[in-house]
Amino acid sequence: AQSVAQPEDQVNVAEGNPLTVKCTYSVSGNPYLFWYVQYPNRGLQFLLKYITGDNLVKGSYGFEAEFNKSQTSFHLKKPSALVSDSALYFCAVRDYGDSGAGSYQLTFGKGTKLSVIP
Amino acid sequence: DTGVSQNPRHKITKRGQNVTFRCDPISEHNRLYWYRQTLGQGPEFLTYFQNEAQLEKSRLLSDRFSAERPKGSFSTLEIQRTEQGDSAMYLCASSVYRTSNTGELFFGEGSRLTVL
Repeated sequence: AQSVAQPEDQVNVAEGNPLTVKCTYSVSGNPYLFWYVQYPNRGLQFLLKYITGDNLVKGSYGFEAEFNKSQTSFHLKKPSALVSDSALYFCAVRDYGDSGAGSYQLTFGKGTKLSVIP
Repeated sequence: DTGVSQNPRHKITKRGQNVTFRCDPISEHNRLYWYRQTLGQGPEFLTYFQNEAQLEKSRLLSDRFSAERPKGSFSTLEIQRTEQGDSAMYLCASSVYRTSNTGELFFGEGSRLTVL
């Protein structure tokens, strides 16, 4: 089965500073990788995905992620953090499940709580 | 609002009671997923449907759990004889399946279950 790991439970960053939220993956075959964000009392929202092509993927709200095959990483980044970016961030990988290649379920990491300090 | 809708948003029940959650997916989405999320953890896959067919169930889904999607539109998740360990947020997600599908899911806001 595919898996992702988020090594940091919490990341604190000052407003205006760059932020990085880390994710590493373990897959067989080509990875399909995703980032989702969860604001308090809100559903998970899709931020961006890597399928193939350019290793730097741009997504919503000014976020981007860098795919690094040699380091099996897919870190989420933003050049300048906003207080409104404070939320729970989840890395996910497309998994195939027991039924084979068609199930397209997502396997999530444990999440990283991002706090942006004014 | 044309997003994924879940009801009820919060359910408090006593141990041993049955509960049912409903999910209305985005209308043109033919795939529907149920996930469970406990505090401090990421969402865990429970089951998914393509149209009305339930194509996969996680080993996490005990016999007390059953899900249906009778007409390929809304879905229900029933938990019988609830236990305190069932307390969690139950998330529904939908997607549209095409050969070019990359697996992006659209989530509802979840139904929180508290078992006393």
